Amino acid sequence: DAKTTQPNSMESNEEEPVHLPCNHSTISGTDYIHWYRQLPSQGPEYVIHGLTSNVNNRMASLAIAEDRKSSTLILHRATLRDAAVYYCILRGNNFGNEKLTFGTGTRLTIIP
Amino acid sequence: DTAVSQTPKYLVTQMGNDKSIKCEQNLGHDTMYWYKQDSKKFLKIMFSYNNKELIINETVPNRFSPKSPDKAHLNLHINSLELGDSAVYFCASSQRGRGHAFFGQGTRLTVV
Repeated sequence: DAKTTQPNSMESNEEEPVHLPCNHSTISGTDYIHWYRQLPSQGPEYVIHGLTSNVNNRMASLAIAEDRKSSTLILHRATLRDAAVYYCILRGNNFGNEKLTFGTGTRLTIIP
Repeated sequence: DTAVSQTPKYLVTQMGNDKSIKCEQNLGHDTMYWYKQDSKKFLKIMFSYNNKELIINETVPNRFSPKSPDKAHLNLHINSLELGDSAVYFCASSQRGRGHAFFGQGTRLTVV
């Protein structure tokens, strides 16, 4: 499985934008970049995913480098409820290869 | 309506016992998964089923036996429980070839 590298932890002030980086230098051409987050005592929750182009949804934006070797999850205005562990995951699209391989993620702390 | 529901939420049992965890999804997905999150918070896939057929088995001990009676259900039976089986077990589902995974709230298993 192609691997991702994320900082162990980050802090951000409430109501400020947050940029969570992820490196995935061994990404293959068919791997999608997925982001999930896990709030305390809950199951992982889907945030956003993309292949090549930048993506926006109601939760966040995903900026993907042109060479696809890195990406950044952007929370436009962090709230206390965004405190969670954020996982950047490469997911294949072939049958039998659609599993999510979680790394250690980035623990995001929001400072009031 | 809960998309992916697991029962029970908590399970405390003695070593050597046999126990089951049930999972149901009402999303119409064709693929279901079991993940294990250990005390260090690593999330690791155990099994994946597509349309009741086992497609991923990640070197899990034979004491763990998944059962998928239909594509909306994936149960996990564990024989001869050991202390090291203590963890949070998450069920998830997705639709093959598109979209993302939805996770249940987890079952915290404690073996004493």
